[in-house]
Amino acid sequence: GAGVSQSPSNKVTEKGKDVELRCDPISGHTALYWYRQSLGQGLEFLIYFQGNSAPDKSGLPSDRFSAERTGGSVSTLTIQRTQQEDSAVYLCASSFGNSYEQYFGPGTRLTVT
Amino acid sequence: AQTVTQSQPEMSVQEAETVTLSCTYDTSESDYYLFWYKQPPSRQMILVIRQEAYKQQNATENRFSVNFQKAAKSFSLKISDSQLGDAAMYFCAYRRFSGTYKYIFGTGTRLKVLA
Repeated sequence: GAGVSQSPSNKVTEKGKDVELRCDPISGHTALYWYRQSLGQGLEFLIYFQGNSAPDKSGLPSDRFSAERTGGSVSTLTIQRTQQEDSAVYLCASSFGNSYEQYFGPGTRLTVT
Repeated sequence: AQTVTQSQPEMSVQEAETVTLSCTYDTSESDYYLFWYKQPPSRQMILVIRQEAYKQQNATENRFSVNFQKAAKSFSLKISDSQLGDAAMYFCAYRRFSGTYKYIFGTGTRLKVLA
C-alpha cells in the first residue's frame, strides 16, 4: 500500500513569508508526528497527534509554528513569518495506535532565503 | 528529561568488515523502547532494529545486532559483513513504553563504507 507522503518535496521561500507543509499518513494510522531535521542535527520532535486526543505540542519552537490534523488524516504544518533558522528538512511519520513502529515520509526540504 | 547521545559523528568501515555504532541514553523510566534508524541520502528513515527494555536478550535482524546494557544505559549497533548499501546516517532513538509517545533521537552517526 501507499506509504507516508509529503508535499512539497522542496520549498524555497523568502524570509517573512508563511509556508504550509503537508503530510498524508498511511491510511488507518491514528498517530502522526512532525519532526525537524536541521543540517548536521538529529530529529527534533515538533508535535504529535493521536486520534481525537489533544495534540502534544511540546516541541514546537515558537508560536510561529502550528499544525492541524483534519479528519484524523491529513496534517498541515504551518510556519508563519519564516526565518532563516527555519531552514531544515521537515519529516512526518505515522503509526497505528500506540505501536512503536513509525513510518516516515520522504520529508520536505525548506529553504528560507 | 530523557536524552540520547551519539558521540561518533562519523565512522568508516571496509566492505565485508564489522562496525559498531555507539549510543547512550538517560532516563528514569524502567520500561521503554530503543531503536536504530537508517537514513540514506534519499532522506527516507527506515527502522533497522528495536529493543524492548524489559527483554534481556539482545535484538538481532540479519546482519544487524545490538548490545543493550540497561544498567549502563548503552545501546550499540553492530553491523556485520558491511555492504556498500549500508552507507547512511544512523540514528539512535528512545521512546517511553507508555504515556507520552514522543520519540527522542540522537544526533546521528554518518557511516561510510569503503570498497
